[in-house]
Amino acid sequence: GIQVEQSPPDLILQEGANSTLRCNFSDSVNNLQWFHQNPWGQLINLFYIPSGTKQNGRLSATTVATERYSLLYISSSQTTDSGVYFCAVERSDTGNQFYFGTGTSLTVIP
Amino acid sequence: NAGVTQTPKFRILKIGQSMTLQCTQDMNHNYMYWYRQDPGMGLKLIYYSVGAGITDKGEVPNGYNVSRSTTEDFPLRLELAAPSQTSVYFCASSYSGEGDYGYTFGSGTRLTVV
Repeated sequence: GIQVEQSPPDLILQEGANSTLRCNFSDSVNNLQWFHQNPWGQLINLFYIPSGTKQNGRLSATTVATERYSLLYISSSQTTDSGVYFCAVERSDTGNQFYFGTGTSLTVIP
Repeated sequence: NAGVTQTPKFRILKIGQSMTLQCTQDMNHNYMYWYRQDPGMGLKLIYYSVGAGITDKGEVPNGYNVSRSTTEDFPLRLELAAPSQTSVYFCASSYSGEGDYGYTFGSGTRLTVV
């Protein structure tokens, strides 16, 4: 399978601060998604971003497929941003099989 | 619109017992998946299905079985529970094809094998 590494593993932020989460992957991919797992365990799809840049409110993501990495930016963080952020990638020869990283655990303190 | 519904939410099994984790989706997604999440780890794919009557193994299929008789339902069967199967299990569904798949997860089943 594809190796997916995320950094940092843990992050503590003061409310209002900005952060950048990174995802490196070991092989060419045709799909990359970012997910947020809230403290209650629910997983939400944030971005479908195999390449380029997307923005959704305070969150944005950039994927540079040729260099095999993706970045998730969180601006003006809020306590509701706390949880674990996962990057997941898919290769065209594996069907719709996603390989997940081990995540970045984010805690935003008031 | 319920999305992806998993039952039960919690379960304790004794070693050697069997059980079925239920998963139903009402979005007419043709792709469905089962993942497990061990503490502090990402998700690993157990089995997936690209449509009714078609299933395939993922990264960690040993000890599990699945079936897909309808578009809506994708149950996961544990035949002889082992402590190594203690985990949180997530079902997910998506559209097929290129582009944004509309990937949607259920709320999970926390299974403990003792």
